[in-house]
Amino acid sequence: ETGVTQTPRHLVMGMTNKKSLKCEQHLGHNAMYWYKQSAKKPLELMFVYSLEERVENNSVPSRFSPECPNSSHLFLHLHTLQPEDSALYLCASSQDPNAASGGGRRDTQYFGPGTRLTVL
Amino acid sequence: GDSVTQMEGPVTLSEEAFLTINCTYTATGYPSLFWYVQYPGEGLQLLLKATKADDKGSNKGFEATYRKETTSFHLEKGSVQVSDSAVYFCALTLSRGGTYKYIFGTGTRLKVLA
Repeated sequence: ETGVTQTPRHLVMGMTNKKSLKCEQHLGHNAMYWYKQSAKKPLELMFVYSLEERVENNSVPSRFSPECPNSSHLFLHLHTLQPEDSALYLCASSQDPNAASGGGRRDTQYFGPGTRLTVL
Repeated sequence: GDSVTQMEGPVTLSEEAFLTINCTYTATGYPSLFWYVQYPGEGLQLLLKATKADDKGSNKGFEATYRKETTSFHLEKGSVQVSDSAVYFCALTLSRGGTYKYIFGTGTRLKVLA
């Protein structure tokens, strides 16, 4: 147990469906992240939230829409996905000691178990 | 650009063998270096880290030393167990113009046979 939970653990959806992935962290962290993990490819950072504000968006298609209602919860809303979006989606959190100033370092990340997504 | 390169797997060893997984990085500035481990069906877990040159990270019998002169952070363990079978990721973090970069290697799968 890393203190980061993700639901659902497995999701199968059609290309016209709308679904959401949920992440919750119980570590009191103030930064949260979405990653995509595909076979034989490096881990891809998708979104970064610090103090509930999106601070990074790495050219992710608009069919992925993140939401961070508070520092403990992070969602990834999915709509009209493509089969190549099938992957393991990992959530992570960390403590940003200088989040207010935008400086400092977000050091160690703690990962959830991931949601295995299959798009048919 | 900034990058992490680690040896391709899979690596297959017998129990009690010595393990080395190579990792080198390219980055300007002073990154922190990490090894994460991913067991089957789970997310990544921090295994060890080092934040400056010559630091040694260690955990559960694994060790890695931050070598700035060779830009390396090789993972070693003197005697592996079947329970060490997993995928190991080398990673770095660094600050860039007020934003933060997180860069992971492609992972090395380790299989330990009894």
